[in-house]
Amino acid sequence: LAKTTQPISMDSYEGQEVNITCSHNNIATNDYITWYQQFPSQGPRFIIQGYKTKVTNEVASLFIPADRKSSTLSLPRVSLSDTAVYYCLVRPYTGGFKTIFGAGTRLFVKA
Amino acid sequence: DVKVTQSSRYLVKRTGEKVFLECVQDMDHENMFWYRQDPGLGLRLIYFSYDVKMKEKGDIPEGYSVSREKKERFSLILESASTNQTSMYLCASYGSTETYNEQFFGPGTRLTVL
Repeated sequence: LAKTTQPISMDSYEGQEVNITCSHNNIATNDYITWYQQFPSQGPRFIIQGYKTKVTNEVASLFIPADRKSSTLSLPRVSLSDTAVYYCLVRPYTGGFKTIFGAGTRLFVKA
Repeated sequence: DVKVTQSSRYLVKRTGEKVFLECVQDMDHENMFWYRQDPGLGLRLIYFSYDVKMKEKGDIPEGYSVSREKKERFSLILESASTNQTSMYLCASYGSTETYNEQFFGPGTRLTVL
């Protein structure tokens, strides 16, 4: 299973764009990159998933360079409610049962 | 909407008690998971199940067992609770939406062992 490394914490202000980068140097050819968000006292929830280049949905964008050894989660114009822990995961698209979560990145958005 | 429910949000038990944590999902997913979450340690996988009556150990199975008698239900059992099992326990199921394969988590059970 590919190991991921991401910053422990980040601070931002409301209205700013936030980019959280995750390193996954030993990503395998059939691995996808998935990001989850977790608020206090809740279970994580899925944000976005991608394999290469760029993926965008209503919540975030995910940028993946050609070598796929890293990825960047981009949150546009954050608000106070985006304060949460963000987890980056790398696993096969199918059969990725033994999903490993790291410590995540704690994002704190200030007014 | 996928729903994963856990039997209790908060639970207080005494050392040595047998504890059952129940998890139910309504999306017919084959794969289900139990994690525990402690401050600064992220989520650690205890056990997972890829089919009824099938289970595999995760990274920290010691002191825990699981039961999967029906597809929708995955139970975590603490045979003899200890204070170091005080934690947040999260259940998840894994399946496909129209676009993605993803895990869906329950709200968690905060267990305190006295």
